[in-house]
Amino acid sequence: GAVVSQHPSWVICKSGTSVKIECRSLDFQATTMFWYRQFPKQSLMLMATSNEGSKATYEQGVEKDKFLINHASLTLSTLTVTSAHPEDSSFYICSARKRLAGGTEQYFGPGTRLTVT
Amino acid sequence: AQKITQTQPGMFVQEKEAVTLDCTYDTSDPSYGLFWYKQPSSGEMIFLIYQGSYDQQNATEGRYSLNFQKARKSANLVISASQLGDSAMYFCAMREGNAGSARQLTFGSGTQLTVLP
Repeated sequence: GAVVSQHPSWVICKSGTSVKIECRSLDFQATTMFWYRQFPKQSLMLMATSNEGSKATYEQGVEKDKFLINHASLTLSTLTVTSAHPEDSSFYICSARKRLAGGTEQYFGPGTRLTVT
Repeated sequence: AQKITQTQPGMFVQEKEAVTLDCTYDTSDPSYGLFWYKQPSSGEMIFLIYQGSYDQQNATEGRYSLNFQKARKSANLVISASQLGDSAMYFCAMREGNAGSARQLTFGSGTQLTVLP
């Protein structure tokens, strides 16, 4: 397998502030990383696809100016929630794609629980 | 239209018994992969099992097996000899394209499994 870490694992912030979440592939290089959002008792919804060295591709309905994604290296992608509001409170999960001999595989981080007060 | 459908929001099973979690999918792509993930209350996504659309045999991984019925477009997960630690949310997911596809995973709505002592 492969290890993907996220930091922080949980964060509480005040409304109007910005929060940065880091996603790292610890033992492999990930040319593509994905950011998901999950509300309680619901499924994972893809927010954006992040490719190293290029702009992220956002899913329909996701505000790119509010959810800033930076994939600066092959092992790090960051999601910044700008001017956070209580409705942004959610569980954010990143996933990193690893190339294998027979194809690719996607490995998930442990998630970051964001609470905006 | 939903690409992945899980019709059982919640399931109960007695410890040591087997349980089947339903998943149907919809795609026109001849190449695709089907995945099952377990998400305990901690939030991490744990990969359980994978089935490729061209795989001739049903996938098995320990106590997990995937009942793949291609004509019916179903990919049910069977957990044998349930354990208390199996209590979690289970997600079925699909990735369209071949094994090297850069496309993202699409998740179903999930099934909350509770194993009773």
